[in-house]
Amino acid sequence: DQQVKQNSPSLSVQEGRISILNCDYTNSMFDYFLWYKKYPAEGPTFLISISSIKDKNEDGRFTVFLNKSAKHLSLHIVPSQPGDSAVYFCAASGGTSGTYKYIFGTGTRLKVLA
Amino acid sequence: GAGVSQSPSNKVTEKGKDVELRCDPISGHTALYWYRQSLGQGLEFLIYFQGNSAPDKSGLPSDRFSAERTGGSVSTLTIQRTQQEDSAVYLCASSLPSQSYEQYFGPGTRLTVT
Repeated sequence: DQQVKQNSPSLSVQEGRISILNCDYTNSMFDYFLWYKKYPAEGPTFLISISSIKDKNEDGRFTVFLNKSAKHLSLHIVPSQPGDSAVYFCAASGGTSGTYKYIFGTGTRLKVLA
Repeated sequence: GAGVSQSPSNKVTEKGKDVELRCDPISGHTALYWYRQSLGQGLEFLIYFQGNSAPDKSGLPSDRFSAERTGGSVSTLTIQRTQQEDSAVYLCASSLPSQSYEQYFGPGTRLTVT
């Protein structure tokens, strides 16, 4: 039973355009959401987070949007750069999972074409 | 400063053998987490340590898996009588106790059971 789903395994975007990565979740008790980025042969690195009391959080080129009614979040990268090519994981916590236990999606591989 | 380190980076073992995976967290990070990522799957939570104690072992898949942490620092994940389905990348992360949303991951140990 996958509580956090990333239905697009891969995405290709032209350099300079917007990249939109999507994530859906099923547990309405989740109250904190994260995005991590992973390069090959490295561990994931924290990118951006959002609490359920907000619907948007922005950090430079990265913006995360949360739609609680749809149980959907998305990560926007504008403008996309070749160095953004990586696997992106969304993760969620809260409810019975506690504040430290994050449920991760399966990841979306982003390729930014020069 | 030094990040999270894991050893070995790769391990090939025969079915039925025991393996030990090591994690050295960032100094001062009292929270430590083990995850595994099987092919095509997301990160699967295994166990969480706060200091030397493990308040949440709920993710350990079977009693063949155990983990310990000594001195509030280094942790070892032991898999006894390995099976082919144990083949995965095992990732360790650490964080400050109040900042579980920002976990610092090591590069992982790729375990292959033949």
